Amino acid sequence: GAGVSQSPSNKVTEKGKDVELRCDPISGHTALYWYRQRLGQGLEFLIYFQGNSAPDKSGLPSDRFSAERTGESVSTLTIQRTQQEDSAVYLCASSLNNQETQYFGPGTRLLVL
Amino acid sequence: KNEVEQSPQNLTAQEGEFITINCSYSVGISALHWLQQHPGGGIVSLFMLSSGKKKHGRLIATINIQEKHSSLHITASHPRDSAVYICAARTDGLTFGKGTHLIIQP
Repeated sequence: GAGVSQSPSNKVTEKGKDVELRCDPISGHTALYWYRQRLGQGLEFLIYFQGNSAPDKSGLPSDRFSAERTGESVSTLTIQRTQQEDSAVYLCASSLNNQETQYFGPGTRLLVL
Repeated sequence: KNEVEQSPQNLTAQEGEFITINCSYSVGISALHWLQQHPGGGIVSLFMLSSGKKKHGRLIATINIQEKHSSLHITASHPRDSAVYICAARTDGLTFGKGTHLIIQP
């Protein structure tokens, strides 16, 4: 079956512009996670959605970052007024529930010039 | 705040060797993940475990909750096992280790 998909796969933007990244989780997965990996660094947790509960936003690095998820479907991660330090691979993962294995998408490579 | 430490940072071994990668964490967790990231960047979840031991093919993962420690073992290593192996400890989100860069030479 289909895995986690993300779009776009690559995004180049100009500093100060807003970007929107999309994640399509595996159908039926109630948990959805966003992570970031900057070049040469480890993975950083950003935000976690579980069903209809309030999301855990504790990993968002600034108020320029926000994410939404409607029900148990698509999620969008929005970065406003992008900065060069936002350049990274943004990874989405989903799991059946928060106690199950996470399945990762291919990531969106964001480059802010 | 959970601190996750992995060792070694880098490991080069010969094909066929038995590989061990260690992960320790500082606070109680609900689960621990082992991930594999290939040079192209794709990430594969290898194991999620909260107690005991799991085995999948040549890969074995163990966790000791009391000692806050987990190990990933690779038996009969092969060059295709070359990748970055990352452990991640779950509380609400995941806290990641910095990864172990493994190179298996033919």
